[in-house]
Amino acid sequence: GAGVSQTPSNKVTEKGKYVELRCDPISGHTALYWYRQSLGQGPEFLIYFQGTGAADDSGLPNDRFFAVRPEGSVSTLKIQRTERGDSAVYLCASSPGGAGHNEQFFGPGTRLTVL
Amino acid sequence: GESVGLHLPTLSVQEGDNSIINCAYSNSASDYFIWYKKESGKGPQFIIDIRSNMDKRQGQRVTVLLNKTVKHLSLQIAATQPGDSAVYFCAENILIQGAQKLVFGQGTRLTINP
Repeated sequence: GAGVSQTPSNKVTEKGKYVELRCDPISGHTALYWYRQSLGQGPEFLIYFQGTGAADDSGLPNDRFFAVRPEGSVSTLKIQRTERGDSAVYLCASSPGGAGHNEQFFGPGTRLTVL
Repeated sequence: GESVGLHLPTLSVQEGDNSIINCAYSNSASDYFIWYKKESGKGPQFIIDIRSNMDKRQGQRVTVLLNKTVKHLSLQIAATQPGDSAVYFCAENILIQGAQKLVFGQGTRLTINP
């Protein structure tokens, strides 16, 4: 079956611009996560959705970052006034949700480069 | 605080040999750990997991060991193959009030030499 997909696969933008990154989770998965992986580091948690609501957004670095999941399926990560330090691979994952630990299935990521 | 780290950033082994990748974690309350494999251009791929009530778990060619006393995890890959070349991450799965998130280590790049 189809896994998690992310678009675009690569995004190059200029400092100060606005970008949107899209995540299509596995069908039926109620939980969705965004992570950011900077060069030479492991992925870092950004935000977690259960259904349409952000259950934990403690990883968003500042108010330039925002994410939505209006219908409980596709999610969009939005970054305003991009900075060079925002350059990273942005990973999305989904899981079935429910109580307890659930395996997270990752998409291939979007590589964002801010010039 | 929450942190998961790795002892070695790179590891090279000969094809057919066994490899061991190590990881330290700091949250003694963590009860679930996962190893992920990441290849270039792909997302992290689940390899094997272990819960804190176990000290060893085996999969196909992989074994995870958990030492809760010293807060240490290791991933053993037996009879390595060229396709095992990748970056390997350990991660803690943290549950807080029903919400969960993964805390990853830095990663170890494993290279299998022919």
